[in-house]
Amino acid sequence: EVQLVESGGGLVKPGGSLRLSCAASGFTFSSYSMNWVRQAPGKGLEWVSSISSSSSYIYYADSVKGRFTISRDNAKNSLYLQMNSLRAEDTAVYYCARTQGCSGGSCYSELDAFDIWGQGTMVTVSS
Amino acid sequence: AIRMTQSPSSFSASTGDRVTITCRASQGISSYLAWYQQKPGKAPKLLIYAASTLQSGVPSRFSGSGSGTDFTLTISCLQSEDFATYYCQQYYSYPRTFGGGTKVEIK
Repeated sequence: EVQLVESGGGLVKPGGSLRLSCAASGFTFSSYSMNWVRQAPGKGLEWVSSISSSSSYIYYADSVKGRFTISRDNAKNSLYLQMNSLRAEDTAVYYCARTQGCSGGSCYSELDAFDIWGQGTMVTVSS
Repeated sequence: AIRMTQSPSSFSASTGDRVTITCRASQGISSYLAWYQQKPGKAPKLLIYAASTLQSGVPSRFSGSGSGTDFTLTISCLQSEDFATYYCQQYYSYPRTFGGGTKVEIK
């Protein structure tokens, strides 16, 4: 079964740090770009960061640039999000999501929607 | 950043209704548009990508159309399991951006 499972969320004080993990299974993790998306309580979806399959290309939302670092370990089928200098406004459920990229053996950018999502992990930043 | 504007933000409908949700991009995004469904406490689910291509396993009552800046998601015959919040997303450029969501409630 294709699956993504996040972990590492919790309660942290403003200015603190947290590292989220996303364990992938059921597919060739090293072939896919990956993403983090967050959702503040009662709010909509906000894209946070993306990383290409070989980590060659990395992108961040302006709201987290310089504070968050995305990384991956293809040998461990894992995606990470290191979050530093956390703020109250970072409080959210954090989802990891796979970029579809390919279908039926064909790969093209029109397929780059997020097709597989984890269940999410809650991060609360509060004193 | 490309701004995605959905309308309406919420509405009530009845089972069996045909419903349409619109999404407008602040600049042209060709067909690099996805629609997601999210139910309370659950992760989003991909419904449509490339503006009009139905994701595998998604019922055919869902359809998408549009190109450039204006897009629509249509549910031809609303079922009880379709009451949820729907989001559009552009993946034409970074930063990826989502619309604000449209909540479909039971009338």
